[in-house]
Amino acid sequence: EVQLVESGGGWVKPGGSLRLSCAASGFTFSNTWMSWVRQAPGKGLEWVGRSKGKFDGGTTDYAALVKGRFTISRDDSKATLYLEMTSLKIEDTAVYYCTTGIDVFDIWGQGTMVTVSS
Amino acid sequence: DIQMTQSPSSLSASVGDRVTITCRASQDINNYLIWYQQKPGKAPKLLIYAASTLQHGVSSRFSGSGSGTDFTLTIRSLQPEDFATYYCQQSYTTLLTFGGGTKVDIK
Repeated sequence: EVQLVESGGGWVKPGGSLRLSCAASGFTFSNTWMSWVRQAPGKGLEWVGRSKGKFDGGTTDYAALVKGRFTISRDDSKATLYLEMTSLKIEDTAVYYCTTGIDVFDIWGQGTMVTVSS
Repeated sequence: DIQMTQSPSSLSASVGDRVTITCRASQDINNYLIWYQQKPGKAPKLLIYAASTLQHGVSSRFSGSGSGTDFTLTIRSLQPEDFATYYCQQSYTTLLTFGGGTKVDIK
């Protein structure tokens, strides 16, 4: 069964840091493009960034709002995707989902909540 | 960034109704348009990609159309399980963007 399980969410003060993980199973993770998508409470979906599969160079792209503050990485040996978030702002409060696909997202995790508040 | 605008932002409908949701892109995106359904507390579910291609396993009640800047999602004969929020997303550019969503609730 194809599955994505996010973890690492929680409460953090503005300016703080947090690392999210997304454990994948049921598919060949190393070849798969992965993205993070977030959703602020009561709001719509927002693409955060992506990590390309190893055959495509494994490079990353980011949305303008998070570029320079967030870093996406992956450990193919552990089939795990990471989202390192620094200099967090109140407006980064959201449920963070990891998802598979180049640009059409067909498999999603259950999400992990990140709350940025003083 | 390409802006995606959905209308209406919400609508009320009855079981059996035909529902149409519109998504407009701020520039030509060819047919690089995707539709998702999201229910409260759940992750989004892929419905349609390439503007009109139904994802495997999705009911044929759902259909998509359009090209360029204007797109529609149609739900033929709304069912109780279709009450949800629907989002469009463009995949024309490297930096992906979603529409603001359309909430479909029970009249």
